[in-house]
Amino acid sequence: QKEVEQDPGPLSVPEGAIVSLNCTYSNSAFQYFMWYRQYSRKGPELLMYTYSSGNKEDGRFTAQVDKSSKYISLFIRDSQPSDSATYLCAMSTVTGGGNKLTFGTGTQLKVEL
Amino acid sequence: DAGVIQSPRHEVTEMGQEVTLRCKPISGHDYLFWYRQTMMRGLELLIYFNNNVPIDDSGMPEDRFSAKMPNASFSTLKIQPSEPRDSAVYFCASSLRGHGYGYTFGSGTRLTVV
Repeated sequence: QKEVEQDPGPLSVPEGAIVSLNCTYSNSAFQYFMWYRQYSRKGPELLMYTYSSGNKEDGRFTAQVDKSSKYISLFIRDSQPSDSATYLCAMSTVTGGGNKLTFGTGTQLKVEL
Repeated sequence: DAGVIQSPRHEVTEMGQEVTLRCKPISGHDYLFWYRQTMMRGLELLIYFNNNVPIDDSGMPEDRFSAKMPNASFSTLKIQPSEPRDSAVYFCASSLRGHGYGYTFGSGTRLTVV
């Protein structure tokens, strides 16, 4: 079993829809949680990060972490065609040895006009 | 800042040849990571450096893979000899102080071994 599980999709939604992307994980030592967005033939770019449990909102994006369930989510409101990309969740433990990130395999999202 | 710079963007080589991938991290960043991305396995950490010193190379698949960071502004990932199963996109990323705030990735090198 992988440490981080993510549904690969693809997920296709109409413009303006609310999108929910999710990851589950097994390592209870994870403390930092991130979402990356990766456009085709580009490197991943950091979209949002949260520390420990709770919610964080940034414009149309909301990240949620439920450590008790080992479950994280990214919500996109009023989705746009420009949101079409692969979304990767990533996690790391609090360690002095560097923030090694463990990634999910990514969910491919397509927002259609 | 120009971000993390990788070269070449694309590399096609024949099986058995040596391949060298290059990375310039963001100035001032003290961590550098090499990742490999495939459809089947996603992003896999190969090796990472802190202040130019290799910290964890447990993800390097075989002795055919080696990585160096001779100074704070340059790193290489070498595959010798290359095999078709090494075909993937290789990403370099850098970060600051090891905080859990995420990395800045380069645009990747798409390697095809035929």
